[in-house]
Amino acid sequence: KAGVTQTPRYLIKTRGQQVTLSCSPISGHRSVSWYQQTPGQGLQFLFEYFSETQRNKGNFPGRFSGRQFSNSRSEMNVSTLELGDSALYLCASSVTTGALNTEAFFGQGTRLTVV
Amino acid sequence: ILNVEQSPQSLHVQEGDSTNFTCSFPSSNFYALHWYRWETAKSPEALFVMTLNGDEKKKGRISATLNTKEGYSYLYIKGSQPEDSATYLCAQNSGNTPLVFGKGTRLSVIA
Repeated sequence: KAGVTQTPRYLIKTRGQQVTLSCSPISGHRSVSWYQQTPGQGLQFLFEYFSETQRNKGNFPGRFSGRQFSNSRSEMNVSTLELGDSALYLCASSVTTGALNTEAFFGQGTRLTVV
Repeated sequence: ILNVEQSPQSLHVQEGDSTNFTCSFPSSNFYALHWYRWETAKSPEALFVMTLNGDEKKKGRISATLNTKEGYSYLYIKGSQPEDSATYLCAQNSGNTPLVFGKGTRLSVIA
């Protein structure tokens, strides 16, 4: 069974540009969450999608957005990139959401560098 | 807003030593506590999901306990090996809320 796949693995962008990251969850998983990790910080929650609907949103500016498609694949978009957006972006999928014992499976992440 | 704290931030142990670290979380509205192991250049890997006060889980040489009333969980590694070197993350969620992660404990096992 294929794991969570994130593309691209590495990305270099210039300030002011926008970027789209992709996440393909494990087959059968309907919930996809996105996290940002910067040096010295824990995983910061960005948003969660379940059945194409955003269920939860973290405390990030509106430049960060996402969506989920009918096949559960998810994308996140960051517009008007800032240097501080340089981070590892992780995607996690789970079978469902809000249920006891729901285990999240992570992808390897996309390392975004903004120059 | 949940605030999950982990200590220590980093830890160096000799091969064969046993070690443990702590995850503290708000005890109100507790739903589940997750432990993950994150090796360098790999994905975080789930170790345990714990839901009940007094829960104890074990996987090989790694075990975890949970105290929801006082808001803490311990992760124990018995006879540490170099391959145990990783960052250990804990995360809590409350019902339909997303996982809130601590900053992790970075463990280095020296051969």
